[in-house]
Amino acid sequence: AQSVAQPEDQVNVAEGNPLTVKCTYSVSGNPYLFWYVQYPNRGLQFLLKYITGDNLVKGSYGFEAEFNKSQTSFHLKKPSALVSDSALYFCAVRDVEYGNKLVFGAGTILRVKS
Amino acid sequence: NAGVTQTPKFQVLKTGQSMTLQCAQDMNHNSMYWYRQDPGMGLRLIYYSASEGTTDKGEVPNGYNVSRLNKREFSLRLESAAPSQTSVYFCASAYSGGSTDTQYFGPGTRLTVL
Repeated sequence: AQSVAQPEDQVNVAEGNPLTVKCTYSVSGNPYLFWYVQYPNRGLQFLLKYITGDNLVKGSYGFEAEFNKSQTSFHLKKPSALVSDSALYFCAVRDVEYGNKLVFGAGTILRVKS
Repeated sequence: NAGVTQTPKFQVLKTGQSMTLQCAQDMNHNSMYWYRQDPGMGLRLIYYSASEGTTDKGEVPNGYNVSRLNKREFSLRLESAAPSQTSVYFCASAYSGGSTDTQYFGPGTRLTVL
């Protein structure tokens, strides 16, 4: 079965500094990877996805993610963090079971301090 | 453009009561999903509907039923609520449900079962 792991429960970063939220995956076949963000008491918002092609994927709100096949990683990055980026971030991978469901990591809380 | 909408936003039930969570999408998507979100566990798929007229169990279907009322609407019913069903419930939709397709999520329903 496909799986993703988010090794950090929480990431703290100062405003203006670069941020990285880590994700590693385990899949059989081609990995289709996604990042979502959840603000307090809100639904999940799609940020970006990797399907194929360029290993650097650009998404919404200035976020990007780097796909690394040899390290089975798909880390989310942003060059300069904003306080408003503080939220819960989920990495997910597509699983062919159950109608191509998404398999989610446990989530990483990002706190950006001013 | 409302995207995916869910009602109600909050609900408190007593053990044994029943209720239906409503979901609708206005993006002309074919596939719809119900997930539950529990702390530290990411999201898990309860049921899905690959297309109008079809529904299938996900990974945690026990205690739930669904109805794909039409292309727009996909409801989730708890026949006899249990405290273990206390969770946040998210509905999602995707254009085709294919492996590269993006799922878009509603704002969620926060359910407490006493």
